[in-house]
Amino acid sequence: EPEVTQTPSHQVTQMGQEVILRCVPISNHLYFYWYRQILGQKVEFLVSFYNNEISEKSEIFDDQFSVERPDGSNFTLKIRSTKLEDSAMYFCASSKGTSGGAQETQYFGPGTRLLVL
Amino acid sequence: QKEVEQDPGPLSVPEGAIVSLNCTYSNSAFQYFMWYRQYSRKGPELLMYTYSSGNKEDGRFTAQVDKSSKYISLFIRDSQPSDSATYLCAMKGTSYGKLTFGQGTILTVHP
Repeated sequence: EPEVTQTPSHQVTQMGQEVILRCVPISNHLYFYWYRQILGQKVEFLVSFYNNEISEKSEIFDDQFSVERPDGSNFTLKIRSTKLEDSAMYFCASSKGTSGGAQETQYFGPGTRLLVL
Repeated sequence: QKEVEQDPGPLSVPEGAIVSLNCTYSNSAFQYFMWYRQYSRKGPELLMYTYSSGNKEDGRFTAQVDKSSKYISLFIRDSQPSDSATYLCAMKGTSYGKLTFGQGTILTVHP
């Protein structure tokens, strides 16, 4: 069964460094998302992406964050200058993008655990 | 008032019990309702997806939505130790819009 994959599974970085989190969405999906989950807290929406542009973003997704679909398969989240409070699990999700029922479902990857020291 | 509220538990039940998990929400724009299961340090996995008031059954799982009361539930019948996980309710206003999650309820089913 197709699944969303994410790399790396764990990333440790120093405060102020840039990190790039990578995701390979399910191959025929058209909508892509990033969420994060700080330890012990809710899963929070960061950004959605469709047709090579951001369709929606949250207040968390400030100028330090960017997303890109550099080729036909990868979807990346870049944090330009990491802060301690960026430490969290980051989940990529994708959705097929056709109307009706379960096809609107967002399928999540296993996550990247980011630790900022 | 939080957009989505979910009792974080933890909830501990014996094997075979019926489990009831609940969420309330305040945003009338939410039209699509989901339950995800999340094992420790893993991504959320979709269990149930509904978009109308009423009940939807899938095996041992029943999702219930009451839009008039802004209340959704997930029932698990004949619970198994393998059901032990965190259960997240999630909802959205549009087909491809962002998901808003509840806090998650930690469930343990003991043999």
